[in-house]
Amino acid sequence: GENVEQHPSTLSVQEGDSAVIKCTYSDSASNYFPWYKQELGKGPQLIIDIRSNVGEKKDQRIAVTLNKTAKHFSLHITETQPEDSAVYFCAASQGGSSASKIIFGSGTRLSIRP
Amino acid sequence: GAGVSQSPRYKVAKRGQDVALRCDPISSHVSLFWYQQALGQGPEFLTYFQNEAQLDKSGLPSDRFFAERPEGSVSTLKIQRTQQEDSAVYLCASTLDRNTGELFFGEGSRLTVL
Repeated sequence: GENVEQHPSTLSVQEGDSAVIKCTYSDSASNYFPWYKQELGKGPQLIIDIRSNVGEKKDQRIAVTLNKTAKHFSLHITETQPEDSAVYFCAASQGGSSASKIIFGSGTRLSIRP
Repeated sequence: GAGVSQSPRYKVAKRGQDVALRCDPISSHVSLFWYQQALGQGPEFLTYFQNEAQLDKSGLPSDRFFAERPEGSVSTLKIQRTQQEDSAVYLCASTLDRNTGELFFGEGSRLTVL
């Protein structure tokens, strides 16, 4: 089955700097890659996602890149702000009829230093 | 409702007790998922419903875990004869249909087994 690995497990950056979180996946049939943000005591919330027919997607300060050949994808946050502090999870699935099999990485705790 | 609602938010059980965790999904959502999140880890898939049908229960860790959604709306996750390793946050998520990518998560039920 699918296995998603995520690095780093913790990340501390200066406010205003960029943060990058990287994930790899094992199942070449996976075609949907969402990123979730989880704040303390809350459930995860989708912040951006990408499908395998594109290599990059951007939404304001957040961007995600996908390399299907290497089976890895990354989250980029630019101009970080204190409210970006949270745990971020990458995930992978085959989508469609296999949408139930959304497999999550182990998470990255991002801290923004003022 | 406006969002996914879970209850209780916190549950402390003595080892061997049975517990029931409730999930109220977003009213228009057909698909419902249960995930287990251990401390410091990503959510792990437990089971998936489409309406009242349980289409995938491959993630349930043992036969002590049972989930139902009898009328295709509210779902209950039941854990019998709880053990310490069952301590975790149990997250419920719903989505409009199984082909839609975004999962809408509740805030979770934190179970502590003493």
